[in-house]
Amino acid sequence: EVQLVESGGGLVQPGGSLRLSCAVSGFTVSSNYMSWVRQAPGTGLEWVSIFYTGGSTYYADSVKGRFTISRDNSKNTLYLQMNSLRVEDTAIYHCARSTSGPAAFDLWGQGTVVTVSS
Amino acid sequence: DIQMTQSPSTLSASVGDRVTITCRASQSISIWLAWYQQKPGKAPKLLIQKASNLEGGVPSRFSGSGSGTEFTLTINSLQPDDFATYYCQQYDSYWTFGQGTKVEIK
Repeated sequence: EVQLVESGGGLVQPGGSLRLSCAVSGFTVSSNYMSWVRQAPGTGLEWVSIFYTGGSTYYADSVKGRFTISRDNSKNTLYLQMNSLRVEDTAIYHCARSTSGPAAFDLWGQGTVVTVSS
Repeated sequence: DIQMTQSPSTLSASVGDRVTITCRASQSISIWLAWYQQKPGKAPKLLIQKASNLEGGVPSRFSGSGSGTEFTLTINSLQPDDFATYYCQQYDSYWTFGQGTKVEIK
């Protein structure tokens, strides 16, 4: 079955760190463009970061320098390392696939919840 | 950065109605626009890409049009399953979403 399953969310204090994982099944993570998209409570969608097939990575200005996207081809998994977390990073974090870049996101995971609070 | 503005924010409609949602880009994005449907507690679902290309399995009552800075999503004969929030997204330069349009039951 083709699917994305996120994990790793939780409650963290401001300034803390978390690593999110996105387990990919049914296709190869390295052959696709993989993104993280977040949705703060009651609000819209915000693109966070993307990992291109060739290894290039891009970030939204709001997370640049704090978040790092990576992938492990052997585990067919995408990651998001989040450091120096802020209250405004609180959101559901979805991973999403696009089959070329730039392109629309044709497959999404259900998301993992990140709460940054003291 | 390219900003996307959707209107209306909320739309009240009845089953069988034809509804139209508008999305405006702050600069030209050619046809690099997608539409998503999201239901509470669920991930977004891609409906349309390249402004007017319907994704496989999406009912033909959904259609998209436009280019440049003005785009529309039309739902002909609204069905009970269509009550949801709809987002536009540009992918001409990075990725930016509109703020969403909630289609609710009138």
